[in-house]
Amino acid sequence: KNQVEQSPQSLIILEGKNCTLQCNYTVSPFSNLRWYKQDTGRGPVSLTIMTFSENTKSNGRYTATLDADTKQSSLHITASQLSDSASYICVVSGGSWGKLQFGAGTQVVVTP
Amino acid sequence: DTAVSQTPKYLVTQMGNDKSIKCEQNLGHDTMYWYKQDSKKFLKIMFSYNNKELIINETVPNRFSPKSPDKAHLNLHINSLELGDSAVYFCASSQETQGFGNTIYFGEGSWLTVV
Repeated sequence: KNQVEQSPQSLIILEGKNCTLQCNYTVSPFSNLRWYKQDTGRGPVSLTIMTFSENTKSNGRYTATLDADTKQSSLHITASQLSDSASYICVVSGGSWGKLQFGAGTQVVVTP
Repeated sequence: DTAVSQTPKYLVTQMGNDKSIKCEQNLGHDTMYWYKQDSKKFLKIMFSYNNKELIINETVPNRFSPKSPDKAHLNLHINSLELGDSAVYFCASSQETQGFGNTIYFGEGSWLTVV
């Protein structure tokens, strides 16, 4: 069973609207949680990195939250743009060697 | 300036062949990685090198052999290719090993198709 679960699997939103993606994890011990954006046919690009003590971190229109007690994170996209169409991957570092555990990603499609 | 570059981007080859994917980073990082992304889009680490030394070697068939001539390069050689090796292979780098909270920079990926 994957230790990082993301929901929804896919999402279609209208340009200009907001959306929130969820990430639940069971990785322990926990080191940090990252959100990556992966455009089709490209490599993942880092959006945010949060450690245990951080509850929220923003990168432009992207805001990530972390609740280390419930082992949940969310990524909020504000005023979506067509260029936000991509897969958003939640990655948790922890366990032995600080190994990165990747979620399967949420595919976001922004339509005009 | 491309931070992490890998070649080739696309590779179609027959079963049983041997192929290599090259990777270079110009970020001055100490750690480099190879990841495999399968058809379900999961990224899984294969290897990690820190200053040319192998530090992570996941359960990968020994047909896969990484080589790091210097800390800016990490190449991946695959022997006797099988259909199941078809995937996207990503090279990546970071200043320290993956357990620390530093950013990992990924290359654009190499699409390998074995026929």
